[in-house]
Amino acid sequence: KAGVTQTPRYLIKTRGQQVTLSCSPISGHRSVSWYQQTPGQGLQFLFEYFSETQRNKGNFPGRFSGRQFSNSRSEMNVSTLELGDSALYLCASSFTSGILNEQFFGPGTRLTVL
Amino acid sequence: KNEVEQSPQNLTAQEGEFITINCSYSVGISALHWLQQHPGGGIVSLFMLSSGKKKHGRLIATINIQEKHSSLHITASHPRDSAVYICAVRSNDYKLSFGAGTTVTVRA
Repeated sequence: KAGVTQTPRYLIKTRGQQVTLSCSPISGHRSVSWYQQTPGQGLQFLFEYFSETQRNKGNFPGRFSGRQFSNSRSEMNVSTLELGDSALYLCASSFTSGILNEQFFGPGTRLTVL
Repeated sequence: KNEVEQSPQNLTAQEGEFITINCSYSVGISALHWLQQHPGGGIVSLFMLSSGKKKHGRLIATINIQEKHSSLHITASHPRDSAVYICAVRSNDYKLSFGAGTTVTVRA
């Protein structure tokens, strides 16, 4: 069974631009969660989607948004990028809804904002 | 002050030694998680606890709800256990908070 895949793996953007990251969950998994990891703040929860509906949301500004498609694939979008958005963005999937419950993590997308 | 505090921040052990990582939290929780992150970023969910103790191979996780404290133990440590171990708590209002992580290095 293929694991969670994230694309792209590395990305360089400049301030003010917007970016879209993609996550393909494990086949059969309907929950996808997104996390941000930075050296200063550590891991932080962004949001969780289950069956195309946002179930939970972390404490991030509205520039961070996401969506989930009918095939459970998910995208997250960050608009008007800031230097502080440079981070490792991790996606995790699970069969049932619930943050961290039996979640399988992807390798992450390393975003650098210049 | 972070709602989740881990100690120690860094830990170096010799192969075979017993390792303990501590996690203290300040809010009422519905669950506590231990995660393992290897160099390169890959994260594995090790345990989810709401009470008592769980064991998986050489890893043991315990939680004391009254004292708001959890420990992760690694018995007979091995170099492949070298990783960052992260404690996370889900509060009763479903907010998720992470500890800063403990970097474990096991030397052969």
